[in-house]
Amino acid sequence: EAQVTQNPRYLITVTGKKLTVTCSQNMNHEYMSWYRQDPGLGLRQIYYSMNVEVTDKGDVPEGYKVSRKEKRNFPLILESPSPNQTSLYFCASSPQGPVGNGYTFGSGTRLTVV
Amino acid sequence: GDSVTQMEGPVTLSEEAFLTINCTYTATGYPSLFWYVQYPGEGLQLLLKATKADDKGSNKGFEATYRKETTSFHLEKGSVQVSDSAVYFCALSDSGGSNYKLTFGKGTLLTVNP
Repeated sequence: EAQVTQNPRYLITVTGKKLTVTCSQNMNHEYMSWYRQDPGLGLRQIYYSMNVEVTDKGDVPEGYKVSRKEKRNFPLILESPSPNQTSLYFCASSPQGPVGNGYTFGSGTRLTVV
Repeated sequence: GDSVTQMEGPVTLSEEAFLTINCTYTATGYPSLFWYVQYPGEGLQLLLKATKADDKGSNKGFEATYRKETTSFHLEKGSVQVSDSAVYFCALSDSGGSNYKLTFGKGTLLTVNP
């Protein structure tokens, strides 16, 4: 089944403790992206990647890192999480970019930073 | 910059009622337009899309027409069901953009009562 898989689905952590949210897609898509969803703000892009070793900032990149060492994987790293990063996070992929194609989304990771 | 404005919710309807969720946009290039649906506890699923002016996207009884003259992409369904209860997001991806993102509206919560 074609899908984007994120792990974990739920995570509670403490301020300052480094964490990684994994994302993997099995569709051989070139484009991948991370979004966060917050009440009243909708979805905002954190980072995106056009291909292996090619990443760039989205609208809200502060406090996050990403890497794209393999085509299928695009982990999101929070080096020192803070409470304002409590959110619902989505990974997404697209075959050739979202214009005309949109993105396929994962099921989400609900992160709580205390 | 690009933006999407969709009607504020929540919207509550009775089963078999007619649904309209308004969506208007601003974009610098020639955007593709999308409607995504998010069922409770799940990720976003592409509902329908349109890639050029006057295109009509349709799926599962939902329809939306790309109106360039009014910069709109309103979602409609003739007879809603309880199973349509979800959050609906209008989104665009702009060919003139450089960060390969979907720009989302803030979402409209639809509740359909039996």
